Amino acid sequence: DAGITQSPRHKVTETGTPVTLRCHQTENHRYMYWYRQDPGHGLRLIHYSYGVKDTDKGEVSDGYSVSRSKTEDFLLTLESATSSQTSVYFCAIVDASGNEQFFGPGTRLTVL
Amino acid sequence: GNSVTQMEGPVTLSEEAFLTINCTYTATGYPSLFWYVQYPGEGLQLLLKATKADDKGSNKGFEATYRKETTSFHLEKGSVQVSDSAVYFCALKVSAGNNRKLIWGLGTSLAVNP
Repeated sequence: DAGITQSPRHKVTETGTPVTLRCHQTENHRYMYWYRQDPGHGLRLIHYSYGVKDTDKGEVSDGYSVSRSKTEDFLLTLESATSSQTSVYFCAIVDASGNEQFFGPGTRLTVL
Repeated sequence: GNSVTQMEGPVTLSEEAFLTINCTYTATGYPSLFWYVQYPGEGLQLLLKATKADDKGSNKGFEATYRKETTSFHLEKGSVQVSDSAVYFCALKVSAGNNRKLIWGLGTSLAVNP
């Protein structure tokens, strides 16, 4: 157990509203990731962080922003949610060896 | 570029059948290779890994061998159980600077019937 929690676990929102998802880790890992998982697309990387205030884009970053002001928290924000952002969102960290990613339990987001 | 291709599912087997899920990759340099498993309603968890050519990863009766000559990392299990029903993801890691991203296959769904 890498001590990763995600909140909320489920959320239903309306198109055009802002949404923030939180990933929290308890073990001081440097690298954190946000993915979305959709049928037929597998896992796609949205953004990642390699330290406090150090972030970079993944392959599907349009419409998303992130912030990491503390080591333990990595926030994913949808500034104006769209129906295409309905998905399951997973947070992950890389362990100290750099060889394994540990995943949180996921957040199911529905945008109506 | 780097990519992972794995066989499409769903795969449906009877209990105690032999399982193979194919995974091939293209990569620059010397990647590490992984199989992750996702049980229903859960996040992904590492099943096994191999970090260099000819390494064999194994866990819970599953095995995969890193074959550089065929750029493959096929997942096998000799006798599947109902509890193995899940989605299996093949992935590779190429580390460069601050980038420790995994490149993912699309996943293969496995259903095992009693």
